[in-house]
Amino acid sequence: DSGVTQTPKHLITATGQRVTLRCSPRSGDLSVYWYQQSLDQGLQFLIQYYNGEERAKGNILERFSAQQFPDLHSELNLSSLELGDSALYFCASSVATGVGGYTFGSGTRLTVV
Amino acid sequence: DQQVKQNSPSLSVQEGRISILNCDYTNSMFDYFLWYKKYPAEGPTFLISISSIKDKNEDGRFTVFLNKSAKHLSLHIVPSQPGDSAVYFCAASEGSGAGSYQLTFGKGTKLSVIP
Repeated sequence: DSGVTQTPKHLITATGQRVTLRCSPRSGDLSVYWYQQSLDQGLQFLIQYYNGEERAKGNILERFSAQQFPDLHSELNLSSLELGDSALYFCASSVATGVGGYTFGSGTRLTVV
Repeated sequence: DQQVKQNSPSLSVQEGRISILNCDYTNSMFDYFLWYKKYPAEGPTFLISISSIKDKNEDGRFTVFLNKSAKHLSLHIVPSQPGDSAVYFCAASEGSGAGSYQLTFGKGTKLSVIP
């Protein structure tokens, strides 16, 4: 157990729907990062939050949004889902900003049918 | 445009022998490199890293070599053990301090260590 908790582990939904993925960071970590891993692709950076504020954006679609709450958990909202959104979504956390201390969760597998 | 490339999708090695996983990058701004290991149904776990001011970093059975002029790094595992069988991801970033945030990953190499 890495200490980063992602729920749900699996999610199957239909095209056009909206889903919310949840991430609880490791205790004491202030930064949360979201990554997407599509079939045969490396992990693609989506977005980073630090202590409730958005810090950086990567290749995140406009249909996707995220936020980090006062208790530091984060949610990734995916709307108007398309078949191509099927992927593994990973959350990682670290104490501060900076890539040296990432700890990843075990991911949420999203299947859009 | 893939900035971090792992050109071998898979690699098979006999137990006890050396495993060499390779990674190339194109972005000259990358100066911090990491290797992650991933088992099925788990998230990636950090293995070893190297800063661009070094050309080698060693941690037990794992050694990472960096050739900046060739924009190439490699991970050596000696000796390889069956428990090393996993997908290995190479990752890179611009810096490792407070201003850095984003890791750029390769697609991964699946290592199989045969007993």
